[in-house]
Amino acid sequence: EVQLVESGGGLVKPGGSLRLSCAASGFTFSKAWMNWVRQAPGKGLEWVGRIKSKTEGGTTDYAAPVKGRLSISRDDSKNTLYLQMNSLKTEDTAVYYCNIDFDYWGQGTLVTVSS
Amino acid sequence: DIQMTQSPSSLSASVGDRVTITCRASQGIRNDLGWYQQKPGKAPKRLIYAASSLQSGVPSRFSGSGSGTEFTLTISSLQPEDFATYYCLQHNTYPLTFGGGTKVEIK
Repeated sequence: EVQLVESGGGLVKPGGSLRLSCAASGFTFSKAWMNWVRQAPGKGLEWVGRIKSKTEGGTTDYAAPVKGRLSISRDDSKNTLYLQMNSLKTEDTAVYYCNIDFDYWGQGTLVTVSS
Repeated sequence: DIQMTQSPSSLSASVGDRVTITCRASQGIRNDLGWYQQKPGKAPKRLIYAASSLQSGVPSRFSGSGSGTEFTLTISSLQPEDFATYYCLQHNTYPLTFGGGTKVEIK
């Protein structure tokens, strides 16, 4: 059974940093293209970024509002996806979801950026 | 960036109604579009991929059509469990972009 479990969310002050994790199981993680998608409270879905599999270059792409502040990485030996979040802004407050190419999704983790 | 204009933003319908939701892309995206259903407090669930292919396990009352810039999600006979918010997503060009969502409510 495919499972994606996000963790690492919480309350952080503006300008602070946080690292989210997405633990994967039930599929060949190393071959998967992985995404982060977020949803601000009461708002719609927003794509954050994507990382390709290492065999396809392992490259990343990001949405403009997060480029240069958020970065996606993966550890295939641990079947884990990461989202490093730096220079956080109040507008980054959202539930963050990881997913496998928009097919399987995790349950999400809430990040609140507030002083 | 490709803008995805989804309409309507909300609708009220009754059980058994036929419901149609539209997404328009600001430029051609072939059939690189999916439709997602989201219920409150839950992760999105894919219903349709490649614009018109039904995701495994999704009831056949859901269907998708379109190519290029205009796409449609149709629910042929609305069921109680279908009251939710629906989103389209284009994955043709980075940055990937979602439509603004359509909230389907009970009339």
